[in-house]
Amino acid sequence: EVNLVESGGDLVQPGGSLRLSCAASGFTFSGHSMNWVRQAPGKGLELVSWISSSGTTTLYADSVKGRFTISRDNAKNSLYLQMNSLRAGDTAIYYCARYGSGTYYQYWGRGTLVTVSS
Amino acid sequence: EVVMTQSPATLSVSPGERATLSCRASQSVKNNLAWYQQKLGQAPRLLIYDSSTRATDIPARFSGSGSATEFTLTISSLQSEDLAIYHCQQYNNWPYTFGQGTNLEIK
Repeated sequence: EVNLVESGGDLVQPGGSLRLSCAASGFTFSGHSMNWVRQAPGKGLELVSWISSSGTTTLYADSVKGRFTISRDNAKNSLYLQMNSLRAGDTAIYYCARYGSGTYYQYWGRGTLVTVSS
Repeated sequence: EVVMTQSPATLSVSPGERATLSCRASQSVKNNLAWYQQKLGQAPRLLIYDSSTRATDIPARFSGSGSATEFTLTISSLQSEDLAIYHCQQYNNWPYTFGQGTNLEIK
């Protein structure tokens, strides 16, 4: 059974940094690209970033480009999101998600809450 | 960026009745459209992909249709456990984008 467990969410001041982690199990992690998707309070879902299975290719939403960095450690079955220069608008639940047979999000973690506030 | 627009924002339906939710894309996304169900305090759950294919273990009362720019999610006979927000998402063009969601209430 595919299992994704996020951690690292916290309250952080504007301009601060945070690193999120996602522990994956139940599938061959190194064989799948991975994603971070976020949801601001009371809002819809927003794709944040994507990383290829090997980690060599990454993509970002314009809203986080230059501030966030996605990475992975296939030996540890883990996905990461380094978030710098955080803004109030980054306040959201951050989900780790994996594609199914196509590029839709079939598997989701339970999310971790990031709050950016002074 | 493809803009996804869902309507209505809120839908109130009686148990046993049919619920019809709409999703419109600002440009053609072919049939690369998924629907998700999100119950309060939970992560989204995949319902439908490729516009009309039900995901694993999704009840037959959920069906999807449409192509290009107009899509519909139909719940044929609403159950109380279907109370949730429903999101559509296109995966034809990067960045993949979601609609703002339809809040389905049980009347």
